[in-house]
Amino acid sequence: DSGVTQTPKHLITATGQRVTLRCSPRSGDLSVYWYQQSLDQGLQFLIQYYNGEERAKGNILERFSAQQFPDLHSELNLSSLELGDSALYFCASSVAGQLNTEAFFGQGTRLTVV
Amino acid sequence: AQKVTQAQTEISVVEKEDVTLDCVYETRDTTYYLFWYKQPPSGELVFLIRRNSFDEQNEISGRYSWNFQKSTSSFNFTITASQVVDSAVYFCALRPGGGSYIPTFGRGTSLIVHP
Repeated sequence: DSGVTQTPKHLITATGQRVTLRCSPRSGDLSVYWYQQSLDQGLQFLIQYYNGEERAKGNILERFSAQQFPDLHSELNLSSLELGDSALYFCASSVAGQLNTEAFFGQGTRLTVV
Repeated sequence: AQKVTQAQTEISVVEKEDVTLDCVYETRDTTYYLFWYKQPPSGELVFLIRRNSFDEQNEISGRYSWNFQKSTSSFNFTITASQVVDSAVYFCALRPGGGSYIPTFGRGTSLIVHP
C-alpha cells in the first residue's frame, strides 16, 4: 500500500458528462501529480500541484482541470467527456516539489466513457 | 523534444533466467533524470529507481541492476534470476532538469516470467 488513496476505483459515465476524481496524498507529501494511462497514448503526465499551487503542466486538455486544496488532497475534473477519455487515471504524491524525487502512486481510477 | 524508446514490447522468460529491459532516450538537455517504474498486474505503478544525468555509476539493488550509458543514451534494466513475481509492465521515463519539468514515458515492456 503506497499510502496514496484514489476514489473512486471505477467510474462508468456517458459521453458529454462531467466527473471528478479524488486523490489523497501520503501523509506529509506536498506534491500531487496526475497521469493518464490509455492504450493509445500510453502513460502521460497531466499536471502537478505543490502545496496548493500548480507547478507543472503536461498534455492536459482544456476540458480537464485540477486543483489541490488546503488539506493537500487533489481533484481532477473531467468535463464534456468523450469516448477517447476512457483511461486509467493515476495520482502520485511526493514530499518535495520536483518530479525527480521518488513518487508514490495510487491504484488509479479506471474511467470508462460509454 | 524528448523521446523514450522501449523497443521490446513483450519479453517472455523462464524463472531463474536473467533478463535485460532496454531503454533508449533522446534529449537536448544536459541535465535530466531517468526513471524506471514497475506496473504489476494489480495496476499500480511502483517507483524503482531514479538516476540523474551526472551520475553514470551503475546501481545494483538485490536482483535488480541498472546500466546507464550516456554515450549510447541508454538506461537498461537487468533482472537477475527472474521470478514469477517479476511479471509486470516496466516503464522507463525521462524528465528534464529544468524548463517544463514534464516527464516522458516509454510505451513499456511487458515481462512475463514463466514458472
